[in-house]
Amino acid sequence: ETGVTQSPTHLIKTRGQQVTLRCSSQSGHNTVSWYQQALGQGPQFIFQYYREEENGRGNFPPRFSGLQFPNYSSELNVNALELDDSALYLCASYPNGANTEAFFGQGTRLTVV
Amino acid sequence: GNSVTQMEGPVTLSEEAFLTINCTYTATGYPSLFWYVQYPGEGLQLLLKATKADDKGSNKGFEATYRKETTSFHLEKGSVQVSDSAVYFCALSPRRGYQKVTFGTGTKLQVIP
Repeated sequence: ETGVTQSPTHLIKTRGQQVTLRCSSQSGHNTVSWYQQALGQGPQFIFQYYREEENGRGNFPPRFSGLQFPNYSSELNVNALELDDSALYLCASYPNGANTEAFFGQGTRLTVV
Repeated sequence: GNSVTQMEGPVTLSEEAFLTINCTYTATGYPSLFWYVQYPGEGLQLLLKATKADDKGSNKGFEATYRKETTSFHLEKGSVQVSDSAVYFCALSPRRGYQKVTFGTGTKLQVIP
């Protein structure tokens, strides 16, 4: 059983550009969430996808958007990058249902200059 | 809304010392509670969990008990090792609805030989 994998591991972008981050969920998991972890902080929930539909969103602007594909892999897109978007972006997957813990990937370190 | 408060770090201990990291939460209903660990440059790993009042989660010598009356979930270990040096996050997720995880700000633990 493979774990959650994210790509790329590191990325440098210029302010104003757009970025796409990718996540392959753990086998058998149909729910994917994305989190932003700024340096020295806890992860903050961005949004969640279940069966290709967004079914929950945190306090992030619309320039943060996502997709989930039929194989349950997912993308996070961020438009018009700002310096404050520099962070570790974590993807988590879990089988749908209560009391199930999230399985996290290693994250993508995004630096906006 | 839901929130998690954990003691600020860094916490510096000598090897074989006793560890306590305090965590309290605010949530509606009866959330599931978690401790995650993050080693330098890595993503999050689930350390332990508890899903109902008075449950004790345990793993690798770490323990935490779900205390509903004090809304707490303190992490303890009787004898820490250098390899336990990491950042520890207390977290909760609702037992119903979408699986948004709310994290504390993290506590950095440094164990010195």
